[in-house]
Amino acid sequence: DAKTTQPPSMDCAEGRAANLPCNHSTISGNEYVYWYRQIHSQGPQYIIHGLKNNETNEMASLIITEDRKSSTLILPHATLRDTAVYYCIVSDNYGGSQGNLIFGKGTKLSVKP
Amino acid sequence: KAGVTQTPRYLIKTRGQQVTLSCSPISGHRSVSWYQQTPGQGLQFLFEYFSETQRNKGNFPGRFSGRQFSNSRSEMNVSTLELGDSALYLCASSRTGTGSSNEQFFGPGTRLTVL
Repeated sequence: DAKTTQPPSMDCAEGRAANLPCNHSTISGNEYVYWYRQIHSQGPQYIIHGLKNNETNEMASLIITEDRKSSTLILPHATLRDTAVYYCIVSDNYGGSQGNLIFGKGTKLSVKP
Repeated sequence: KAGVTQTPRYLIKTRGQQVTLSCSPISGHRSVSWYQQTPGQGLQFLFEYFSETQRNKGNFPGRFSGRQFSNSRSEMNVSTLELGDSALYLCASSRTGTGSSNEQFFGPGTRLTVL
């Protein structure tokens, strides 16, 4: 079972920042937080991941709380093409988790003009 | 760098047949994972291969099998197809699938329809 909890859906106005929350209250010290998104009928797309520190790349920023029990994915200027299902995943990538990402139901983000 | 490629993109089979799907990972990636996606169950992990060895396996029956070749390309096979096997089959590659290097890059998937 997925170790994360995400809202089932969110709306965002085009050009505004989209802030997608994720709760992972049972995360262990060596588990990473990953974010993926899946645009309809395509394969999931890797966005970003982090362990403890906040991370930023060309797609998004990842803010992880100090206690690591929750995180927020930020798309700074959402466009219509960002409409997708966003998945938050935690994994330590060892043992039975090697090469295995457990996807939950994700958050369906709708960006509206 | 070329992305993950999967062939074929679409496939129609009948119950009882078998099917083989192919996946070519990103160059330099040695871990290949397979997932099944259905509307009811979402994305579910099938198995993962690293250096030609199955390293992890999800909770699927033995009709689902796979292998990996020395060039890291992978195939998965489903025997005795059932209607419930209709799904999008996704392949993902990562450098090692371990530790800090498990960001996975997915292919476009193979859409299998079983009639």
